[in-house]
Amino acid sequence: GENVEQHPSTLSVQEGDSAVIKCTYSDSASNYFPWYKQELGKRPQLIIDIRSNVGEKKDQRIAVTLNKTAKHFSLHITETQPEDSAVYFCAASWLQGGSEKLVFGKGTKLTVNP
Amino acid sequence: GAVVSQHPSRVICKSGTSVKIECRSLDFQATTMFWYRQFPKQSLMLMATSNEGSKATYEQGVEKDKFLINHASLTLSTLTVTSAHPEDSSFYICSALDRYNEKLFFGSGTQLSVL
Repeated sequence: GENVEQHPSTLSVQEGDSAVIKCTYSDSASNYFPWYKQELGKRPQLIIDIRSNVGEKKDQRIAVTLNKTAKHFSLHITETQPEDSAVYFCAASWLQGGSEKLVFGKGTKLTVNP
Repeated sequence: GAVVSQHPSRVICKSGTSVKIECRSLDFQATTMFWYRQFPKQSLMLMATSNEGSKATYEQGVEKDKFLINHASLTLSTLTVTSAHPEDSSFYICSALDRYNEKLFFGSGTQLSVL
């Protein structure tokens, strides 16, 4: 089955700097890669996603890039703000038994220092 | 975005009792719902996949007789933790797949504490 590796596990940046989180996946058939932001004790929130037919997608300060050949995808946050501090999870879709499901990375705790 | 309602948000129970957690998609039909368990500072661990009108598919290592899942309608799935024990204490989160836009939305989670 699918395996998703996420790095780094923790990331600390100064306000205004950029943050990059990287994920690799193992199943070349995966075709959907969402990113979730989870604040302490709250539900994961979908912040951006990308499908395998595109290489990059942007939404204001957030962007995701996908390299299908290398089987890795990255989240880029520019001009970071303290409210960006949270745990971020990447995921890759995996088809099993006719049902598509997501496999999550272990998460990255991002701290943005004012 | 779509709304997924999960209740209760927090429950404390005695060892040996059963606890039911509800997950509802409020403004879309969810033919597929997922149940996860999350330990502190760890990732989401998929427990089972629930398809409306059929039996749930459990991940390896998850006891189906202990974690009963029912998905009786297109908007409701329930997880019942039977004969709960302290080791079942955890944060349980559901998610629902919106087939229209193929996106996954999460419930707010349930913190279960078994004394």
